[in-house]
Amino acid sequence: AQSVTQPDIHITVSEGASLELRCNYSYGATPYLFWYVQSPGQGLQLLLKYFSGDTLVQGIKGFEAEFKRSQSSFNLRKPSVHWSDAAEYFCAVGESTNAGKSTFGDGTTLTVKP
Amino acid sequence: DVKVTQSSRYLVKRTGEKVFLECVQDMDHENMFWYRQDPGLGLRLIYFSYDVKMKEKGDIPEGYSVSREKKERFSLILESASTNQTSMYLCASSLLGQRYGYTFGSGTRLTVV
Repeated sequence: AQSVTQPDIHITVSEGASLELRCNYSYGATPYLFWYVQSPGQGLQLLLKYFSGDTLVQGIKGFEAEFKRSQSSFNLRKPSVHWSDAAEYFCAVGESTNAGKSTFGDGTTLTVKP
Repeated sequence: DVKVTQSSRYLVKRTGEKVFLECVQDMDHENMFWYRQDPGLGLRLIYFSYDVKMKEKGDIPEGYSVSREKKERFSLILESASTNQTSMYLCASSLLGQRYGYTFGSGTRLTVV
């Protein structure tokens, strides 16, 4: 069975500082990996995805993530955080089947200090 | 702008009521999903469907059923609502194989009293 671990429940960074959110996954085959962001009271929005090829993937809003197979990790990064990045972030691993179920981590809440 | 629309943002229902949560997508996606989101528990899959009239149980299907009579519509049914079903319910859709990820609705916050 697939699973996702986000070790950090809550992270606080200063505006303009760099950010890294950690994600570790467990999946038997080559995974589809995703990061989503959720603003308060809203649904989730896809930030970026990985399913093959270049292990460093670029997403929207200046985010990037790196797939490291040896570490079973897919960490999300941003060089300079903006106050509007404050939200909850979810990592997900998806089955590479037609049904394509995804399993989500418990989320990391990002607070941005002025 | 493509979207997934959930019919209600907020619902308050009484224990024992039959509750219908509706979700409609306009992207011609094959797959549709219902998740519930609770603090500290992340998103948990209730049911999903990869074709009209097809449905599969997710991780927590107990107390729920679903209906997919048309490709664009996926309904979640609480047969007899209970207080432990108070939660945020999120609908999502995707293309087959979901290589492009999910598109989510804005969610329905259900309170059962």
